[in-house]
Amino acid sequence: AQSVSQHNHHVILSEAASLELGCNYSYGGTVNLFWYVQYPGQHLQLLLKYFSGDPLVKGIKGFEAEFIKSKFSFNLRKPSVQWSDTAEYFCAVNAGNAGNMLTFGGGTRLMVKP
Amino acid sequence: DTEVTQTPKHLVMGMTNKKSLKCEQHMGHRAMYWYKQKAKKPPELMFVYSYEKLSINESVPSRFSPECPNSSLLNLHLHALQPEDSALYLCASSPQVAGRYNEQFFGPGTRLTVL
Repeated sequence: AQSVSQHNHHVILSEAASLELGCNYSYGGTVNLFWYVQYPGQHLQLLLKYFSGDPLVKGIKGFEAEFIKSKFSFNLRKPSVQWSDTAEYFCAVNAGNAGNMLTFGGGTRLMVKP
Repeated sequence: DTEVTQTPKHLVMGMTNKKSLKCEQHMGHRAMYWYKQKAKKPPELMFVYSYEKLSINESVPSRFSPECPNSSLLNLHLHALQPEDSALYLCASSPQVAGRYNEQFFGPGTRLTVL
């Protein structure tokens, strides 16, 4: 069975700091990769997604992620965070043979200090 | 209409109550999902409906009973719940195009508290 690991459970940054959140998955075949964000009291929103093509994908709100197949990783980055980025971030993977099923990582809680 | 709606937003129920959660989408999606999310945890898949038929049940206790009356609606009937069932219940939907992954769109959730 596929699994998704997010090694940073809690991250605290000051505004304008750079952000990188790690995501690793275990499936060796074709994958579709996602980052979701959940702001306090709000629903899951898609930040960005990778299906194929350029491994560097850009999403909303200045976020980007890089798919490195050899490392089974899909790390999320943002060059300069804002207080409004305080939220929970989930990496999710759909394995090519899993239909529409998503497997979520454990989440990373980001707190940005003003 | 590009959103998934869920009602109610909040629900408090006793262990002997029967209640239902409702999910609706008008995007023409033919796959719908129920997830359970405990605080500070990722969503956990409960059920998947495909073309109004239950296709996946992730070993969910029978006190949770899903229903898909039509392609736009998904219900989750609750009966004899336990306090540990308190959680955020998320609904999602996706298109159903064979041979490719179809992105899921999530609703805002129903926050359930079982007393």
